[in-house]
Amino acid sequence: GQQLNQSPQSMFIQEGEDVSMNCTSSSIFNTWLWYKQDPGEGPVLLIALYKAGELTSNGRLTAQFGITRKDSFLNISASIPSDVGIYFCAGQLGENAGGTSYGKLTFGQGTILTVHP
Amino acid sequence: ETGVTQSPTHLIKTRGQQVTLRCSSQSGHNTVSWYQQALGQGPQFIFQYYREEENGRGNFPPRFSGLQFPNYSSELNVNALELDDSALYLCASSWTGGGTEAFFGQGTRLTVV
Repeated sequence: GQQLNQSPQSMFIQEGEDVSMNCTSSSIFNTWLWYKQDPGEGPVLLIALYKAGELTSNGRLTAQFGITRKDSFLNISASIPSDVGIYFCAGQLGENAGGTSYGKLTFGQGTILTVHP
Repeated sequence: ETGVTQSPTHLIKTRGQQVTLRCSSQSGHNTVSWYQQALGQGPQFIFQYYREEENGRGNFPPRFSGLQFPNYSSELNVNALELDDSALYLCASSWTGGGTEAFFGQGTRLTVV
């Protein structure tokens, strides 16, 4: 099945460092979402983006919806050990597709983040 | 905690058998989507149920089927299990028409031997 191109695949950083990851698609999406998944758990929604060019923050997390609607970026500032996990981007057609596309997500392959104390 | 609950949490089945996985959606949500997540991959959309009918399907064969009940809970059924069906199966609930995003359950880990 289709997946978004997410990079990097993995990152090993020191506590306190900033992190950047991105996601690209050959298709346009009207909504971009970023999720975090811990081992043995389901993905947890971090940030949702609804407009091209939109920049949204959630604490130390900042995400941007690309102008072309084919990409998105997630930045984590001043990383801490509990940031460890797998981060997924997801695209959704959303409301513009007739209101029936909520929950139909196309995911990236994930970025595995390891934070060394 | 999202309020989306799945059962069972773990399951081992033999190739060729059938399995049923269950999902209770978050309060106030009317739509349930099912995903398959193979090890090391992102979740793949299987199908979605809205108003007790299938509302979109990903690239999965007909032996993957589902149901949605009047209380919005849902089941995923897989017939003639294959080894490649071993994965984490995730359920996500959302509100169609209201703009709420998908919230996921903890998943059911299915192992086919």
